[in-house]
This record gives sequence, C-alpha cells and structure tokens, in this order.
Amino acid sequence: GEDVEQSLFLSVREGDSSVINCTYTDSSSTYLYWYKQEPGAGLQLLTYIFSNMDMKQDQRLTVLLNKKDKHLSLRIADTQTGDSAIYFCAESPANQAGTALIFGKGTTLSVSS
Amino acid sequence: EAGVAQSPRYKIIEKRQSVAFWCNPISGHATLYWYQQILGQGPKLLIQFQNNGVVDDSQLPKDRFSAERLKGVDSTLKIQPAKLEDSAVYLCASSGSYDRPQETQYFGPGTRLLVL
Repeated sequence: GEDVEQSLFLSVREGDSSVINCTYTDSSSTYLYWYKQEPGAGLQLLTYIFSNMDMKQDQRLTVLLNKKDKHLSLRIADTQTGDSAIYFCAESPANQAGTALIFGKGTTLSVSS
Repeated sequence: EAGVAQSPRYKIIEKRQSVAFWCNPISGHATLYWYQQILGQGPKLLIQFQNNGVVDDSQLPKDRFSAERLKGVDSTLKIQPAKLEDSAVYLCASSGSYDRPQETQYFGPGTRLLVL
C-alpha cells in the first residue's frame, strides 16, 4: 500500500539548520510537496519539487530529492522560533484515480531560543 | 486573492447527530477536495470533485458521509449519523488550471469536529 514515512519529532536551537526527512512510495509521482501546519490552522504550502529535479532552493528552504531511493528532505536554514510547527511531506501518486495527495504523519519541529 | 474558506471553524455534537460543513474554494479552481485529519495523523482524502462531478470517493464512508458540489463552486460535506471516531479536522482544499503545477492544492483552515 501507499505509505509516506517521516520522523515524528525534531528539536533544534534557534539559528541552527533543520533537516526534515521523508520517504515516499510511488516512483511515478510527478510532484512532491512540503506543507506546514501551525497549531489550530490549516496546511500552508511551503514548496514543491518536480520529480526530474534533484534540488530546489527557495529563500531559507532547500528541498533535496533522491528519486532512486525515493527520499525527500527539507532543509530550513537559520531556523527561527516561528518555524515551530508540524511539517508534512506529500506525494501525488500516478496510480490514483484523481490527483489527491498522500501525506505522511508529519514531523513536529520544535525550535528553542 | 482570497484563500479557501470553510465554516464553521468548530463544531461539537453528540453521537448519532448530523452535521454539515461548508467550503468555498479559491475562485476559478475547478478541483475541490475534502480531507479528514485525525489527531496525530496526516490528512486523508475523503472525496475529490472536478467541477461538479466526483473524481474519487473510494475512501468516503458512504453509509454515513455524503458530499455535493452542485454548481461546481461551493461544496458541503455531511455526516449522518456521527460516530465518536469521526472526531477530526475536516480540511477542504482546491486546485486549478491557473497554478503551476496544476495539481498544487491550497487548504482552508479546517473545521474541528468533536463528537461526544
């Protein structure tokens, strides 16, 4: 079955870099996404990467994709207390009837000052 | 550009009662999704609409859940009768042809349902 795996918790100090890892299942997924969810809020799209790319950088965010290992990572440079949230990795499997996303369980990032 | 709107934000009901949630997608977005997010889990798709037609409802518990998008814009999700295990956040998302990639989904704030 389809299963997106993420580590559940990550704790870092303010100013350090955070790296959140994800493994996905469908090698034919065209796009892979990172969403952020703050307490009591919906999901905010952070960034996405096309499957034929290895890396994408967007300000403090760097996404790395290893398609061979089906591994995706999100690096947040100079992590701030405002980055504390749950981060979800998601894929859009090609074998789905529609274009719904398959999400991991989320990684809770805790940033201490 | 306005985001995805949902109401109500919170709802508390007793088991066996019915409840309805409303979603207004981003203007011009043809595709609308309802997800269920149980505490500690990622969102899971309940139903996907393309305009006013159903694309995928394979995960929708059809004995108690129903959804419609009659005019291809707003959508309602109904639960009747509710069970304790329906306590969750119900998220609406939309995607459209103006975005790159086209399937990029934008989420509303969600409706938090508590069934007692």
